[in-house]
Amino acid sequence: DGGITQSPKYLFRKEGQNVTLSCEQNLNHDAMYWYRQDPGQGLRLIYYSQIVNDFQKGDIAEGYSVSREKKESFPLTVTSAQKNPTAFYLCASSKGPGAGGWVDGYTFGSGTRLTVV
Amino acid sequence: AQSVTQLDSHVSVSEGTPVLLRCNYSSSYSPSLFWYVQHPNKGLQLLLKYTSAATLVKGINGFEAEFKKSETSFHLTKPSAHMSDAAEYFCVVSDIANTGKLIFGQGTTLQVKP
Repeated sequence: DGGITQSPKYLFRKEGQNVTLSCEQNLNHDAMYWYRQDPGQGLRLIYYSQIVNDFQKGDIAEGYSVSREKKESFPLTVTSAQKNPTAFYLCASSKGPGAGGWVDGYTFGSGTRLTVV
Repeated sequence: AQSVTQLDSHVSVSEGTPVLLRCNYSSSYSPSLFWYVQHPNKGLQLLLKYTSAATLVKGINGFEAEFKKSETSFHLTKPSAHMSDAAEYFCVVSDIANTGKLIFGQGTTLQVKP
């Protein structure tokens, strides 16, 4: 079955460490997204990519970095510059806007819960 | 610019009674609208979507929503709540004018009491 796989499900980070969250999709979707979710704040867009080797900052990109070297993969690195990284991170994918992506919505992964220890 | 407002942050119903989760949107274009559901520590699942076809949209698990252009609303309803419906619900509009990204409401927590 097609879908999005996020790993790990739980991740613990020490102060000053960089950590990378994995997101892989086999839906042949062009666009991929990373969201951060905090209690009572809904979903906030970190980064998105609509094509391989290209990505744009979302609303809260500071302290995060991404790459899009393959269509299937969109890893997110939480750097030491992100001062409050404890949150639930969601990856999503969709068809590109040129393929009517805005009428199909997104497919979401099951999330990664990151905790600073 | 597109935006979406969920009018209730928390809704509590008894099992077997109707559910109403309210959503208003703002859009300069004919919008695409969605409702997603999120159970604790899970990803978001698409419940239903409106894309300019029938104004009454039926989704999974007995949910439906009605697009009312005159009221700029897209409220989610279900005739009879089940305990398994307890979750977070997000109303979403597609930002057609700006790359098609989705714009999420703040969410409504649905509590179902036995």
